[in-house]
Amino acid sequence: EVQLVESGGGLIQPGGSLRLSCAASGFTISSNYIHWVRQAPGKGLEWVSVIFGGDYTYYADSVKGRFTISRDNSENTVYVQMNSLRAEDTAVYYCALNWAYWGQGTLVTVSS
Amino acid sequence: DIQMTQSPSSLSASVGDRVTIACRASQGIRNDLAWYQQTPGKAPKRLIYAASSLQSGVPSRFSGSGSGTEFTLTISSLQPEDFATYYCLQHNSYPLTFGGGTKVEI
Repeated sequence: EVQLVESGGGLIQPGGSLRLSCAASGFTISSNYIHWVRQAPGKGLEWVSVIFGGDYTYYADSVKGRFTISRDNSENTVYVQMNSLRAEDTAVYYCALNWAYWGQGTLVTVSS
Repeated sequence: DIQMTQSPSSLSASVGDRVTIACRASQGIRNDLAWYQQTPGKAPKRLIYAASSLQSGVPSRFSGSGSGTEFTLTISSLQPEDFATYYCLQHNSYPLTFGGGTKVEI
């Protein structure tokens, strides 16, 4: 059974850093597209980033230069390192496999 | 960037109604479009992929159509469990973009 479990969210001060994890089971991350999507409270969905294969990574303009997506094939886990966090990064962050399977999300709150 | 304009942003309907939601892309995206349903506190659920293909396990009252720049999601007979927010997603080119959402209410 395909499963994605996000973790690593929490309360962080503006300017701080956080690393989110997306632990996958039931499939191999190395041969699939894994996306991060976020949803600010009461707002719509916003695509954040994608990773596939070795060097295939893309970012939304709103996070480019601050967020870095990576993966650990041995752990079958995808990460997003989030630096220089801003209040507007506050959201539930979801990871998604090939747009078909989604995790339950992890909440990131950026506030002083 | 490709903009996805979704309409309406909300609608009121009754059980048994036929509901249509539209998404317009700012440039052609072939059929690289999916539709999602989201209920409060839950992750989105894919209903339609490749603009018109029904996701396995999704009731046949849901259907999608369109290609290029104009797309529609139709619910042929609205059921109580269909009251939710619906989003379109274009995955033709980066940055990927969602429509603004349509909240279907009673």
